[in-house]
Amino acid sequence: DAKTTQPPSMDCAEGRAANLPCNHSTISGNEYVYWYRQIHSQGPQYIIHGLKNNETNEMASLIITEDRKSSTLILPHATLRDTAVYYCIVRLSWGKLQFGAGTQVVVTP
Amino acid sequence: NAGVTQTPKFRVLKTGQSMTLLCAQDMNHEYMYWYRQDPGMGLRLIHYSVGEGTTAKGEVPDGYNVSRLKKQNFLLGLESAAPSQTSVYFCASSPVVFGRDIQYFGAGTRLSVL
Repeated sequence: DAKTTQPPSMDCAEGRAANLPCNHSTISGNEYVYWYRQIHSQGPQYIIHGLKNNETNEMASLIITEDRKSSTLILPHATLRDTAVYYCIVRLSWGKLQFGAGTQVVVTP
Repeated sequence: NAGVTQTPKFRVLKTGQSMTLLCAQDMNHEYMYWYRQDPGMGLRLIHYSVGEGTTAKGEVPDGYNVSRLKKQNFLLGLESAAPSQTSVYFCASSPVVFGRDIQYFGAGTRLSVL
């Protein structure tokens, strides 16, 4: 599976958009990009995923560059409850998610 | 709808003791997984199962055994616990839906081996 690179931490003001970058320069054509988050000590929670096109759901938007070597997760209006570790995962084989260290996002009032 | 339930939530073992962690899911998912998470790190896959009666090794399988006798249950066993197995253990399950491989996680089991 392709390796991902994320910044270790970032801060965001409550009510503002949070843009979380992820580099996956070795991604291959069939690999999906998944985003999960882990709120303190809880089990990870699925956010969104995509292959080529940009995706949006009730939680977030996912922007994937045309060359698919990087992506950005957008939380449109961050709240204090969005404080968590966010994991960007690229996988090919079914079910095998390779979690890195993720990005610690802290939303401040 | 309970989702994925892990028992116990906490456990303290002495070196050499054995124990079994239970994972139960009520979503009729085919796939189930066991992960461990050490402080400051991401999750690492221990074992997984693609269906009742089947199991396979993940990234860090040594020292663990698993069984999936019923579709809804996935058991993780430690035959002789070691301090290096002190960790938080997460179970997950996922359906088989093409292009939508979403894993649903339990709340975790915090295990300390003294």
